[in-house]
Amino acid sequence: DTEVTQTPKHLVMGMTNKKSLKCEQHMGHRAMYWYKQKAKKPPELMFVYSYEKLSINESVPSRFSPECPNSSLLNLHLHALQPEDSALYLCASSPVGNQPQHFGDGTRLSIL
Amino acid sequence: AQSVTQPDIHITVSEGASLELRCNYSYGATPYLFWYVQSPGQGLQLLLKYFSGDTLVQGIKGFEAEFKRSQSSFNLRKPSVHWSDAAEYFCAVGAEQAGTALIFGKGTTLSVSS
Repeated sequence: DTEVTQTPKHLVMGMTNKKSLKCEQHMGHRAMYWYKQKAKKPPELMFVYSYEKLSINESVPSRFSPECPNSSLLNLHLHALQPEDSALYLCASSPVGNQPQHFGDGTRLSIL
Repeated sequence: AQSVTQPDIHITVSEGASLELRCNYSYGATPYLFWYVQSPGQGLQLLLKYFSGDTLVQGIKGFEAEFKRSQSSFNLRKPSVHWSDAAEYFCAVGAEQAGTALIFGKGTTLSVSS
């Protein structure tokens, strides 16, 4: 069991669909992260929120739109995705000050 | 440039044998070092971390790692491997403060033979 909860676990969507990924943590962490991971590769950072404000955007295409409604929740809104966007999307959180980042189990996304 | 190198892409170890996974890093500031493990279909689980102090750190599941500043290394060890240790292992380096990116190595796949 992880302390970072991601839903859904699996998602299949067409290229014209709109969907959202959700991430929740109740550890009081004030930094939250979205990563994309392709098979047999390390995670690639997409976005970082610090104190509910977007602090890092790693030049991610606009078809990915992050949102941090409060200190416990992080969403990733998806629209008009491409087949190459199929991947495991991982959410992580970390406490104020020192690392480490704690990861959820991810959402396996498949684009048809 | 900041980077993490895991020289071994794939390692096979017999069950009960000892294990060492190598990690070398290049980082401009004081490095905060981590080892994560990822089982198939799962997220990353933190095995251990090094911030400062004792250079030999103990983690979960019987793993330990040794920080060697002179060699820029942070190798992961386990004295006796179990079949359930088969997974992907990632070494990572980051800055002190939260909200900054982790730099991951490319990972080492561990297979355990009986």
